Amino acid sequence: EAGVAQSPRYKIIEKRQSVAFWCNPISGHATLYWYQQILGQGPKLLIQFQNNGVVDDSQLPKDRFSAERLKGVDSTLKIQPAKLEDSAVYLCASSFGVNTEAFFGQGTRLTVV
Amino acid sequence: AQSVSQHNHHVILSEAASLELGCNYSYGGTVNLFWYVQYPGQHLQLLLKYFSGDPLVKGIKGFEAEFIKSKFSFNLRKPSVQWSDTAEYFCAVNGLDSNYQLIWGAGTKLIIKP
Repeated sequence: EAGVAQSPRYKIIEKRQSVAFWCNPISGHATLYWYQQILGQGPKLLIQFQNNGVVDDSQLPKDRFSAERLKGVDSTLKIQPAKLEDSAVYLCASSFGVNTEAFFGQGTRLTVV
Repeated sequence: AQSVSQHNHHVILSEAASLELGCNYSYGGTVNLFWYVQYPGQHLQLLLKYFSGDPLVKGIKGFEAEFIKSKFSFNLRKPSVQWSDTAEYFCAVNGLDSNYQLIWGAGTKLIIKP
């Protein structure tokens, strides 16, 4: 079974630039999550989709972060403009439903300089 | 607010030692409990989970965890660790009260000395 695919694996940008991350979940998984993981901390949920609808985006800094999942499959997460404190690993995960285990991608390591 | 606490940030053990990693949660309702592991350079993967039934749960690679409801705990154990168990371990909890949003602990970095 193919896992959750994310790209790119690494990204270095200057502050105030924009960046986008892409995620392809496991086929058939209706629920998709974007997490931010800062070094030394557990993952923090940014946004959760159920098919192409948003279930929870309460911790998404909406002034600079946006995410979409237009056809209920792939998703993109964008940051514009980036700040130094956005340096983190951005994880995408998917699950069959909200109450089942989540499968994670490799993550994108973002460094903002 | 719901929270998950992992007691040790770093643990160093020798091979063949026994392991117990603590996890306590603050949560009012029925919970689902998870342990995830992240090996160096790899993605997070599920080690074991508890949804209901027998509170002693067995996972992959010889790991087990015991759900003690009265103590709000879900400690991870392994009787004899190997060098390949070097990884970061995360406890996570979800439930109806959080709309099934996973609440994560800060993680425990486990280093096994060969």
